[in-house]
Amino acid sequence: ETGVTQTPRHLVMGMTNKKSLKCEQHLGHNAMYWYKQSAKKPLELMFVYNFKEQTENNSVPSRFSPECPNSSHLFLHLHTLQPEDSALYLCASSQGTPLVDEQYFGPGTRLTVT
Amino acid sequence: DAKTTQPNSMESNEEEPVHLPCNHSTISGTDYIHWYRQLPSQGPEYVIHGLTSNVNNRMASLAIAEDRKSSTLILHRATLRDAAVYYCIPGDMRFGAGTRLTVKP
Repeated sequence: ETGVTQTPRHLVMGMTNKKSLKCEQHLGHNAMYWYKQSAKKPLELMFVYNFKEQTENNSVPSRFSPECPNSSHLFLHLHTLQPEDSALYLCASSQGTPLVDEQYFGPGTRLTVT
Repeated sequence: DAKTTQPNSMESNEEEPVHLPCNHSTISGTDYIHWYRQLPSQGPEYVIHGLTSNVNNRMASLAIAEDRKSSTLILHRATLRDAAVYYCIPGDMRFGAGTRLTVKP
């Protein structure tokens, strides 16, 4: 399934670095999502965008800054992260009503903060 | 948010049916029940969803209790490729720990 792509697949960054994660969906969907999956914790919804507008922010620290320039692209800008932010970051997209209709997930970016 | 209870793990033999239970006793009347699964080293994959009636698709069947406080995902013939963590999600995509399904040859 290559409907949702994420780059890079792996990223190692220091706490003072600035980096960005990229997600692209080729499915013509209107909603896009960022999730975080830490070891031994459930998948956590971070942000929801619908038609480029942010509709949900689940109390995510400001060191994570999302950007959605159009319905096909979603970025997650990272700065001054902490080691506990190391996790798998997953992007997803869906058509129709956000958080109701079927979501398609990308393969994720494995982030390590040193 | 609806509270969800699923067994931590289950085992099945290959080519046998599997019934994965989920309790969601605090579900609201308008919440859909979604099931996703996550294979090792992959992002979650949609399996099925429903509101009140039982649902079937090419991957599985979803049986929803009349009071909607529980549901069961049914894999009709488990294969080795069905080994994954299965998530039951009532409402708005709050994932729990899920059920880890092991399929034995």
